[in-house]
Amino acid sequence: AQKITQTQPGMFVQEKEAVTLDCTYDTSDPSYGLFWYKQPSSGEMIFLIYQGSYDQQNATEGRYSLNFQKARKSANLVISASQLGDSAMYFCAMREYNFNKFYFGSGTKLNVKP
Amino acid sequence: DVKVTQSSRYLVKRTGEKVFLECVQDMDHENMFWYRQDPGLGLRLIYFSYDVKMKEKGDIPEGYSVSREKKERFSLILESASTNQTSMYLCASSIPRGLAKNIQYFGAGTRLSVL
Repeated sequence: AQKITQTQPGMFVQEKEAVTLDCTYDTSDPSYGLFWYKQPSSGEMIFLIYQGSYDQQNATEGRYSLNFQKARKSANLVISASQLGDSAMYFCAMREYNFNKFYFGSGTKLNVKP
Repeated sequence: DVKVTQSSRYLVKRTGEKVFLECVQDMDHENMFWYRQDPGLGLRLIYFSYDVKMKEKGDIPEGYSVSREKKERFSLILESASTNQTSMYLCASSIPRGLAKNIQYFGAGTRLSVL
């Protein structure tokens, strides 16, 4: 079974609008962390936001927020007020702390239209 | 700022050649990782290391080996390159497993073509 599932291979959003990128995960480890990374066309992976499995509040970092629904095992990334520079690949990732395993999703390519 | 440096951005090699991909980090991180990235497959872990001379296999270690003689340097070795190893290779480093929010910091990647 897939550990990290990103069902949207590609998405378009209008500049200044909000967009949600979906991520679901599968784990039996009670202790895990969820990460979102951005990969522009230059290739370098940039860390955006982190959510721990025991965190009570949804994580936020500037225009990025993580909609963490533990019972549904989903960790969607919300980008508010999209900018042209947000056009990139976005990867959801999970770290299982007890099993010491790491997993990345297949990514979502976001295009922001002017 | 954390800096993870991969020795080459682009590399072209012949089938059967021994290939070395080098990665250096400057933040004294214990953990280092090698991934390969292919379209539609995301990142797949090849090997990781949590200390000098220590290594663990990831999900796709076949055809690869690694070396970590110094804390800051983690090398990926393709013993006999094959065309199916043509890919983007990403190196990353992070703080130890026992600490939460152990963000992985990535290098710029090496795009390897095996002809």
